[in-house]
Amino acid sequence: TQLLEQSPQFLSIQEGENLTVYCNSSSVFSSLQWYRQEPGEGPVLLVTVVTGGEVKKLKRLTFQFGDARKDSSLHITAAQPGDTGLYLCAGGVPPGTYKYIFGTGTRLKVLA
Amino acid sequence: EAGVAQSPRYKIIEKRQSVAFWCNPISGHATLYWYQQILGQGPKLLIQFQNNGVVDDSQLPKDRFSAERLKGVDSTLKIQPAKLEDSAVYLCASRAFAARSSEQFFGPGTRLTVL
Repeated sequence: TQLLEQSPQFLSIQEGENLTVYCNSSSVFSSLQWYRQEPGEGPVLLVTVVTGGEVKKLKRLTFQFGDARKDSSLHITAAQPGDTGLYLCAGGVPPGTYKYIFGTGTRLKVLA
Repeated sequence: EAGVAQSPRYKIIEKRQSVAFWCNPISGHATLYWYQQILGQGPKLLIQFQNNGVVDDSQLPKDRFSAERLKGVDSTLKIQPAKLEDSAVYLCASRAFAARSSEQFFGPGTRLTVL
C-alpha cells in the first residue's frame, strides 16, 4: 500500500515567519500535487510537479519534488493569515492511471 | 465556467439507514472521482470513472457502497446501510483529460453524519 506521510501534522506560527512542510513516501510517484483546503470547501490545486528535482515557485510558496520522485516539500516565506488552511500533497500513481494518493495533511494556522 | 456541483451539502442519518450523494462534474470532463475525507485527514479515493466506466474501485467497500455514472456525466454514490464510521466528507472531483499535469477540480463536498 502506498502511503504519503506529511509533517508536521499541525503548525501554528506568527505572521511573517517562514515554514516548510514535508511529504514523504517510500514509493515513486509519476507526479506530485499540492493542494490547500479551507473549511467547508474542496481542495484547490496549488501546483503540479512532474520531474525529479523540479522546483516551482508561486509567489511566496516554493515547491520541490525530490530527485527520486518519492518526496516533496512546500516552503512558505513570510507567512500571512491568508495562508491558513489544510495543506495536502497528492502523488500520482504510475503507470498513468491518473489515480492520486493523498497525504495525511498539514494544518497550518498563521496568527496576525 | 461552472465548477463541480454536489448535493446535498449536509446530511444527518441514523446508522443502518441509506443515503445517496449526487455530483455534477464540469462539462466535458471525462474523469470523475469520489473521495472520502475523514475529519483532519487527507481524502481517500473510493472510485474513479473514465466516462461511464469504472477505472478503479479497489478501495470502495462494495458490501455497502455503490456508485454509478449515468451516460458519463452525473454520478451518484450510495451507502446502504450506513455505519458510524462512514461519518465523513464525501468529495467529488473531475478532470478534463488524462495527463500528469492536468488538474483535478473538487466540489465543496457533502458532510455526512451517522448517529
